[in-house]
Amino acid sequence: GESVGLHLPTLSVQEGDNSIINCAYSNSASDYFIWYKQESGKGPQFIIDIRSNMDKRQGQRVTVLLNKTVKHLSLQIAATQPGDSAVYFCAENPITQGGSEKLVFGKGTKLTVNP
Amino acid sequence: SAVISQKPSRDICQRGTSLTIQCQVDSQVTMMFWYRQQPGQSLTLIATANQGSEATYESGFVIDKFPISRPNLTFSTLTVSNMSPEDSSIYLCSVDGGRVFYNEQFFGPGTRLTVL
Repeated sequence: GESVGLHLPTLSVQEGDNSIINCAYSNSASDYFIWYKQESGKGPQFIIDIRSNMDKRQGQRVTVLLNKTVKHLSLQIAATQPGDSAVYFCAENPITQGGSEKLVFGKGTKLTVNP
Repeated sequence: SAVISQKPSRDICQRGTSLTIQCQVDSQVTMMFWYRQQPGQSLTLIATANQGSEATYESGFVIDKFPISRPNLTFSTLTVSNMSPEDSSIYLCSVDGGRVFYNEQFFGPGTRLTVL
């Protein structure tokens, strides 16, 4: 069935280091992927997305890489800051009949940035 | 992006009672979604709230337990009925990004529910 999972449930980094958060997905038919950031007590906040016809997309300090061969997604955060501490979720939009906007979320990785 | 508010932000309820959660968006949106996030867990889609028709529920969720209303393009409610401690979760609504932010979903702040 559909599932999206993460390799590491927790990640601790030093301020200024680069962070890499990984995600494995199982639905090869998914055409759209999103990374969300969720701070304590708040709803998920969109970070960056990527479509299946791309393998890399860059934003401000963040890069998402998509490897469709091994069904792997990663989020890279450059020069990690204390404000980046949060739980990060990957989500996929499986192609469904009728073009549903449904998202399937991964388990989440808690990123802690140490000053 | 859309600004989404939810009421209440949190509540503590007794077993067997029901709670209705409201979701208000500052612009008209086509699709609204309700998610559940159990403590320390990821988000699970409960249902898609369709304007003018019945909600579409995901596997494991039923209308009798989670009735949903969608009276217009900016508002929806989710009721958690006959609550038990297992219903203690954060309930989040989200909306689609429309033509500008196609496929992107914006989330509300969530409603933290504790059932005693």
